[in-house]
Amino acid sequence: AQTIHQWPVAEIKAVGSPLSLGCTIKGKSSPNLYWYWQATGGTLQQLFYSITVGQVESVVQLNLSASRPKDDQFILSTEKLLLSHSGFYLCAWSQSSNERLFFGHGTKLSVL
Amino acid sequence: AQKVTQTQTSISVVEKTTVTMDCVYETRDSSYFLFWYKQTASGEIVFLIRQDSYKKENATVGHYSLNFQKPKSSIGLIITATQIEDSAVYFCAMREGGTGGYKVVFGSGTRLLVSP
Repeated sequence: AQTIHQWPVAEIKAVGSPLSLGCTIKGKSSPNLYWYWQATGGTLQQLFYSITVGQVESVVQLNLSASRPKDDQFILSTEKLLLSHSGFYLCAWSQSSNERLFFGHGTKLSVL
Repeated sequence: AQKVTQTQTSISVVEKTTVTMDCVYETRDSSYFLFWYKQTASGEIVFLIRQDSYKKENATVGHYSLNFQKPKSSIGLIITATQIEDSAVYFCAMREGGTGGYKVVFGSGTRLLVSP
């Protein structure tokens, strides 16, 4: 069975500090990977997607970047956090471009 | 560009009743895929049901069913015999066909509160 693991579960960071969030998918070869951001009480805003290792496409610009260093790993990062980066970050995977998403449990980020 | 709209911010029902949540979408693609997810209080997002645009029959899974009205670009979610544990935020989402499917657009969500 496939599993998706996000880390960390929560982070409290200072404005201007760097950030790195991770996501690992086990039991699935060459998954399509996604990063989503959710403000408190808000919708799910897609940030990035990746179809293959080393290739990441940006959907919306929020001063964040993403990388896929391994087939099963997706990293979200920034060198300088803004207050507006606070929220809930969700990693997801799908088998193809027309299938359902499987979500991780998310990372709650508070930027102070 | 694709767009998904959920106009109901919140709905309150008594358990064991039926509730319908609305969702309207916009797309120029002739092939697309519609999904409903729910987000629990813990933040967990769970897939519920899907409808492919080329299918005429409404999808049904357990006590979830869809009211797909293609001419109106509408995909309503129907929950019958609601239970307390159905209380959650429900999101409608859409993927277009082909390479456009890598962008998955979500609606703003509808909060459902089921009370005894």
